[in-house]
Amino acid sequence: DADVTQTPRNRITKTGKRIMLECSQTKGHDRMYWYRQDPGLGLRLIYYSFDVKDINKGEISDGYSVSRQAQAKFSLSLESAIPNQTALYFCATAPDRSTGELFFGEGSRLTVL
Amino acid sequence: GQNIDQPTEMTATEGAIVQINCTYQTSGFNGLFWYQQHAGEAPTFLSYNVLDGLEEKGRFSSFLSRSKGYSYLLLKELQMKDSASYLCAESGGSYIPTFGRGTSLIVHP
Repeated sequence: DADVTQTPRNRITKTGKRIMLECSQTKGHDRMYWYRQDPGLGLRLIYYSFDVKDINKGEISDGYSVSRQAQAKFSLSLESAIPNQTALYFCATAPDRSTGELFFGEGSRLTVL
Repeated sequence: GQNIDQPTEMTATEGAIVQINCTYQTSGFNGLFWYQQHAGEAPTFLSYNVLDGLEEKGRFSSFLSRSKGYSYLLLKELQMKDSASYLCAESGGSYIPTFGRGTSLIVHP
């Protein structure tokens, strides 16, 4: 089983719908991140959390919100999805700040029609 | 990552050596990472450099020059399975990795 699990893996939805992408991890890491990946643009940071009570905006947080329900769970929500939010979304974890190496989930491919 | 620059695409021949360059600009530096990402899959960690010099790990090596804001990933004895995107990422003052746009490496027979 994967150490960082994302659900759903694939989702097609319509403009205006609310969508939640969930991430859970068994690595015991404090740090969790949400990135989106678009062709030619690389990975861009949406939100990150260093512990349960800590939530921070990343480079492209507009249109997104997050919830850190527990150390192991970090959810990303799109309150009203729009087509330009069509992308591949990755959750990642990190153990501490000594290296910052990230451990990625398998990704959630979201299509907004 | 607007502060990280790497080539968009490279091609190489099976068995050869290829060097993928990455330049970065940062106000605080806590390490330079390289990740490999096959199409449709998650990135996987390849290397980490925080001090100047060369780090060797099997067929892959990574180099860092902090004064020049420069790193490269060296892949030796290329195999077809090395066809992938290679992501350069810099960990800045807050230890939050910022990624370049990735280099797509195509290895042909």
